[in-house]
Amino acid sequence: AQKVTQAQTEISVVEKEDVTLDCVYETRDTTYYLFWYKQPPSGELVFLIRRNSFDEQNEISGRYSWNFQKSTSSFNFTITASQVVDSAVYFCALSEAASSASKIIFGSGTRLSIRP
Amino acid sequence: GAVVSQHPSWVICKSGTSVKIECRSLDFQATTMFWYRQFPKQSLMLMATSNEGSKATYEQGVEKDKFLINHASLTLSTLTVTSAHPEDSSFYICSATSLGGGKNFGPGTRLLVL
Repeated sequence: AQKVTQAQTEISVVEKEDVTLDCVYETRDTTYYLFWYKQPPSGELVFLIRRNSFDEQNEISGRYSWNFQKSTSSFNFTITASQVVDSAVYFCALSEAASSASKIIFGSGTRLSIRP
Repeated sequence: GAVVSQHPSWVICKSGTSVKIECRSLDFQATTMFWYRQFPKQSLMLMATSNEGSKATYEQGVEKDKFLINHASLTLSTLTVTSAHPEDSSFYICSATSLGGGKNFGPGTRLLVL
């Protein structure tokens, strides 16, 4: 069975600090996708990244970076120099890569608060 | 591209009434759509997988007779909450899969049952 664990329920940091959101996943599939989504108070999900299980390269996009470690089944997300606008709930998610019918399973989410 | 819309964005109804929520893929065709439910301060829980032209596949614990799903075309899936009760109040989000496999989410529908 597939499972995504986000052990950090809530994180609060002061603006400009770096913060890492942890994500650990379980799957029996050899091919799968990992995702991160941001959910601001409006509720709409904002897509951040999709990573194929075959691609273990770390990725950086502006202040965001992702560390994919297959050996530990982790896909952690780091925000550098955090800003108040980064405050939101962040979800890590997993799906099989096999077909369009593959569903996305979400972790429980991490509520991130950035204090001015 | 790959935009998904939902209608309505907000709905308030009386207990016992039925509510229909629409999910549309605006600029692509989606053979598969997914319906999620999110209670306050909780994660998104998959309710069902909606397949165009066939019956939906429901997740364990989701009542198929209460949450009716119709996927009549490649761009439209509807979720009808029948005889809604206050415990059905939630945020309902749909997702549609585009040709490249991307999962595109709608903006969500907030349902409040009085």
